[in-house]
Amino acid sequence: EPEVTQTPSHQVTQMGQEVILRCVPISNHLYFYWYRQILGQKVEFLVSFYNNEISEKSEIFDDQFSVERPDGSNFTLKIRSTKLEDSAMYFCASSEAGGNTIYFGEGSWLTVV
Amino acid sequence: AQKITQTQPGMFVQEKEAVTLDCTYDTSDPSYGLFWYKQPSSGEMIFLIYQGSYDQQNATEGRYSLNFQKARKSANLVISASQLGDSAMYFCAMREGRVNQGGKLIFGQGTELSVKP
Repeated sequence: EPEVTQTPSHQVTQMGQEVILRCVPISNHLYFYWYRQILGQKVEFLVSFYNNEISEKSEIFDDQFSVERPDGSNFTLKIRSTKLEDSAMYFCASSEAGGNTIYFGEGSWLTVV
Repeated sequence: AQKITQTQPGMFVQEKEAVTLDCTYDTSDPSYGLFWYKQPSSGEMIFLIYQGSYDQQNATEGRYSLNFQKARKSANLVISASQLGDSAMYFCAMREGRVNQGGKLIFGQGTELSVKP
């Protein structure tokens, strides 16, 4: 069964460093998302991406965050200068055009120290 | 105001029994979708079941069924014949607008289900 894959599964970074989280969405999907989940809390929407541009973003997704689809398969989330409060599980997700379901990757756990 | 409310932070169920996890939602959009995801302790988000606002029948997927009561704005998940592997966090989520047009999911706070042997 096709799946969304994410790398790395876990990353520890120093405060102020840049981090790039990578995702390979399901191949025929056209909508891509990033969500985050701070430990013990609910899943929060960050950004959605369609047709090579951001279609919606939340207030969490400030200037420190950016997304990119550098080629036909990868979808990345960059955090320019990490803060302690960026420590969370980051989920990539995708859905197909005309589809009802959003499929999630296994998550990338980011720890900022 | 909360768009998705899960009022049960934790639930216990005996193995092989059925359990209902509650979810209420709030939207003025006539077109929306309701989802349930399972998050085991390993952290991944596993899609379980989907219900569209215009669907006439309640959704079912194996041991999972969604008790959709539109007038009450509730979308409870029913798990039949609970198994030990069902122990996990369960999230209810909603997608507003035309659900096949890429709208985001809004999640509830989750319910932690523990299945007792």
